[in-house]
Amino acid sequence: GQQVMQIPQYQHVQEGEDFTTYCNSSTTLSNIQWYKQRPGGHPVFLIQLVKSGEVKKQKRLTFQFGEAKKNSSLHITATQTTDVGTYFCAGRRTSYDKVIFGPGTSLSVIP
Amino acid sequence: EPEVTQTPSHQVTQMGQEVILRCVPISNHLYFYWYRQILGQKVEFLVSFYNNEISEKSEIFDDQFSVERPDGSNFTLKIRSTKLEDSAMYFCASKGGQVYNEQFFGPGTRLTVL
Repeated sequence: GQQVMQIPQYQHVQEGEDFTTYCNSSTTLSNIQWYKQRPGGHPVFLIQLVKSGEVKKQKRLTFQFGEAKKNSSLHITATQTTDVGTYFCAGRRTSYDKVIFGPGTSLSVIP
Repeated sequence: EPEVTQTPSHQVTQMGQEVILRCVPISNHLYFYWYRQILGQKVEFLVSFYNNEISEKSEIFDDQFSVERPDGSNFTLKIRSTKLEDSAMYFCASKGGQVYNEQFFGPGTRLTVL
């Protein structure tokens, strides 16, 4: 079945450093979504990428969707303590398919 | 801002008991979902519901599980005979029409099976 993997599993950074998490799917995706979950909280939608090679930015966050639509990345520039949480990618093979979540990357930011 | 609500926030039950987890999706949304998250692990899809029927379910969603939309607002997940391994956080989510693919998650119900 479809698998979505993420690396790294954990990342500890000094405040101000950059952070990147990578997401890989075993199958080509129709679209990919990114969610953030704060400790003790629920997943909160960040963004959706649909087009091959798409790049979207939200302030210090940059999201990329690979040309083959099988991988994606989230890059945070100059991390802040408010960035702490687990970042999940979630992909679906078609617009009608269920969303498969990756295992997440847990980000810790040391002030 | 509209939000998904879930009750109770924490449910403790004995193994073998039935539990019903309740969700009130955002009012004009059409697609409803249940996910579970075992502590420290990833979010796992359980079931999606549209037009008053299940549209998709995962292998986790076996005969012990059922969903209902008993009225125009509530969306429930029933576990008939709970097992220890059912202990997890259960999230309800909803979204609008297909073009609006953002899923809004509720705060979750923490289920503890003893």
